[in-house]
Amino acid sequence: EIVLTQSPATLSLSPGERATLSCRASQTVNTYLAWYQQKPGQAPRLLIYDASKRAAGIPARFSGSGSGTDFTLTISSLEPEDFAVYYCHHRNNWPRGGTFGPGTKVDIK
Amino acid sequence: EVQLVESGGGLVESGGSPRLSCAASGFSFSNYEMNWVRQAPGKGLEWIAYISSGGSTKDYADSVKGRFTISRDNTNNSVFLQMSSLRVEDTAVYYCARGGEWELLRWFASWGQGTLVVVSS
Repeated sequence: EIVLTQSPATLSLSPGERATLSCRASQTVNTYLAWYQQKPGQAPRLLIYDASKRAAGIPARFSGSGSGTDFTLTISSLEPEDFAVYYCHHRNNWPRGGTFGPGTKVDIK
Repeated sequence: EVQLVESGGGLVESGGSPRLSCAASGFSFSNYEMNWVRQAPGKGLEWIAYISSGGSTKDYADSVKGRFTISRDNTNNSVFLQMSSLRVEDTAVYYCARGGEWELLRWFASWGQGTLVVVSS
């Protein structure tokens, strides 16, 4: 089973700052990686799929990069609504569901 | 608008066998694969079950294999999760999730609001 590791566990930043979140896979997932945002009491929301493609309606300040085993989610300038938990997710062996990373919490400094 | 509404959660005794439902609307349900994903309190996300659009192919995470069964009713636009031999560690919010359109097929583009299952010892 492919294991996803996310770092840091918590990122404390101020609005307007740049956030860089990392996701590392224990073996290659090609570009079959997505990022989800989850706010307290809400279901996750798909942000990025296939490592670098933005889902519909996702602001341009969110971008994804990487392939193989190392991936990055970047939020270029944090808005107040961006403070949330972010999960990476691989689905390399679709239709198997894949695994999620443990999450990175972006909170207000 | 895609809508997924889960129900069937609640307080259940260890060893119990509740059935979760997810009612879908706003799209052609029979054309889409469906999944269940769960989240233990304060923890991360875990995919647990998949069913193909026609219902012929199913897959499960090792943590629930042999205890949970996914099924669907394409006439009534619903997907189900029959749970059995519940353990305390199955306590979680259970989400149904659908793949997206076209190149988003493999990703969980739509989610329900979740239903909480609490397993007591």
